[in-house]
Amino acid sequence: EPEVTQTPSHQVTQMGQEVILRCVPISNHLYFYWYRQILGQKVEFLVSFYNNEISEKSEIFDDQFSVERPDGSNFTLKIRSTKLEDSAMYFCASSVGGPGIQHFGDGTRLSIL
Amino acid sequence: AQSVTQLGSHVSVSEGALVLLRCNYSSSVPPYLFWYVQYPNQGLQLLLKYTSAATLVKGINGFEAEFKKSETSFHLTKPSAHMSDAAEYFCAVRLDTGTASKLTFGTGTRLQVTL
Repeated sequence: EPEVTQTPSHQVTQMGQEVILRCVPISNHLYFYWYRQILGQKVEFLVSFYNNEISEKSEIFDDQFSVERPDGSNFTLKIRSTKLEDSAMYFCASSVGGPGIQHFGDGTRLSIL
Repeated sequence: AQSVTQLGSHVSVSEGALVLLRCNYSSSVPPYLFWYVQYPNQGLQLLLKYTSAATLVKGINGFEAEFKKSETSFHLTKPSAHMSDAAEYFCAVRLDTGTASKLTFGTGTRLQVTL
């Protein structure tokens, strides 16, 4: 069964550095999402993306964050200048349509030192 | 705005016992409701979904949930727990906007299954 893949599984970065989290959505999916889960807290929506533009973003998704679909297969989340509070598990998801079932990757654990 | 509340951050049951994980929702319009399961070091896997068809929804691994509008609830049940059911379970709600619509998750319930 097709799945969403995320790399790396664990990323350790110094505070203030830029980090790029990568996702390969399921190939025929058109809608892409990033969520995050701070340790011990609930999964929170960050951003949705369709037709090469952001559809919706949360208050968390400030100017330090950006998303991109650089080619036909990858979907990336960039954090420009990381803060300690960015430490979390980041999940990528994709769906065929906007109302469709969102399929999640296994996540990237981001640790900011 | 939509939200979900999961009562009980930890639930412990004996193997073979009934599993009941509670979820109440708040939504200004008829919602779509979901249960996802997260095994250790893995992503979120869809267990089942409610999308305004039958109110009793059957999912994978023997789980089911019943949508009760009068109680604004969508509790998850399984008649007989198995050790492999030990995981974190998340209830989520989504509005049907016809476009890329976000999931709003509850805080999760960790299910422990004991012998």
